[in-house]
Order: sequence, then C-alpha cells, then structure tokens
Amino acid sequence: SQKIEQNSEALNIQEGKTATLTCNYTNYSPAYLQWYRQDPGRGPVFLLLIRENEKEKRKERLKVTFDTTLKQSLFHITASQPADSATYLCALTFYGNNRLAFGKGNQVVVIP
Amino acid sequence: ETGVTQSPTHLIKTRGQQVTLRCSSQSGHNTVSWYQQALGQGPQFIFQYYREEENGRGNFPPRFSGLQFPNYSSELNVNALELDDSALYLCASSLTAGAVNEQFFGPGTRLTVL
Repeated sequence: SQKIEQNSEALNIQEGKTATLTCNYTNYSPAYLQWYRQDPGRGPVFLLLIRENEKEKRKERLKVTFDTTLKQSLFHITASQPADSATYLCALTFYGNNRLAFGKGNQVVVIP
Repeated sequence: ETGVTQSPTHLIKTRGQQVTLRCSSQSGHNTVSWYQQALGQGPQFIFQYYREEENGRGNFPPRFSGLQFPNYSSELNVNALELDDSALYLCASSLTAGAVNEQFFGPGTRLTVL
C-alpha cells in the first residue's frame, strides 16, 4: 500500500532562517502533490500544488520541489517568521483517483 | 464570498449512537469531500460528493454515509458510533470534482465518542 512519510519530530528554527521539510512516498508516483498549512484546531489551508512534470514551484517565501526519481518533495520556507509556526501537511493525488492522501504532517516552530 | 462552514463545532456522543455533521460549501463550488483526522494524524479521505452523487470513497465502513443537496451543501452521517470514531471531521469544497483542484477546508467538527 502507498505510504506518505513526513518527519514526526518538530522542526525548531531561528527566525530568519530557511525551514526545509521533507515528504517521501513509496510505490506509485503521484500525479500532483500539494502542501497545506494547518494551525491547531483549524482546517488545513492550501499553499502550493506541483505537478509530476514540474521540478519546482514558488510562491512568495515558499518553494516546493518534486523529484519523482527519489519519490520526494521538499518544502522550503525562506526568511521564516514566528507567524510561520504551524503544522505543514503534504498531500498526494494519484492518476485515476480523485482523493487527497495526506501525510501525518510536520510541525514547524519558528523561534524569535 | 463566504468560506466553508461546518456545524456543530463540537459534539459529544456515546457508543452506539448516530451523528449527523453538516457542511456548507464555498460559493460556486459543486464538490465536497469529507475527511477524518485523528489526533496527531493527517486527514483521511472518507468520500467525495459531486453534484449530489458520491464520487469516490475511502477505506471507511458503510456506517459512514453522506448526502449532498442541490445547493451543494453536504451531510456526513455516522451510525453505531465507536470509540475510534472520535476525531476532527473536516469538510472541504472545491470548484469541481477531482483532487487536483485546490481544496478549501472548513474549521471542522470535533466529535468525541464516550
């Protein structure tokens, strides 16, 4: 069965530095990969979508890469701010499938 | 433009009872997906409704059922509640069917089963 792995340990990072999160998956390659942000007690909020034929996507201080050979996506937050503290979820969509399969999420704590 | 809303915010039920959760989709969206999120886990896909028809289902038993209405709002019904059903239930709407579209999530309903 498909596995989507995100680091279970929280990432503590100093304000101004770049936070990098990893999403690894096994078996089938997804058609699309999305990243969401979730704050405690709230629903996830969409951040970025990247297609399997795209290597990189950027949006303001966020950057996502997608390596189908390594079966991995990296999510970067540059010049991190305390307001970036949240849990970040990786979500995959596979061909012929209309659902999002989420990883467990990775918590980021930005220290002022 | 109003976002996705869900009701109730919190709910406490006992084992064996039945529950109905409600979701109003974002204006202009015809697709609603439901997810279950246990503590410390990512959301798990329950099912998706597109124009009032079920359009895909995750690995959940038949006691999880749903409806979508002509205004595209939706309900999730869970029968014969079990302790493991305790979770945050999230509704997400999107412009059209398929998961490639950005999904707009509501704040969720926190269900506790005692």
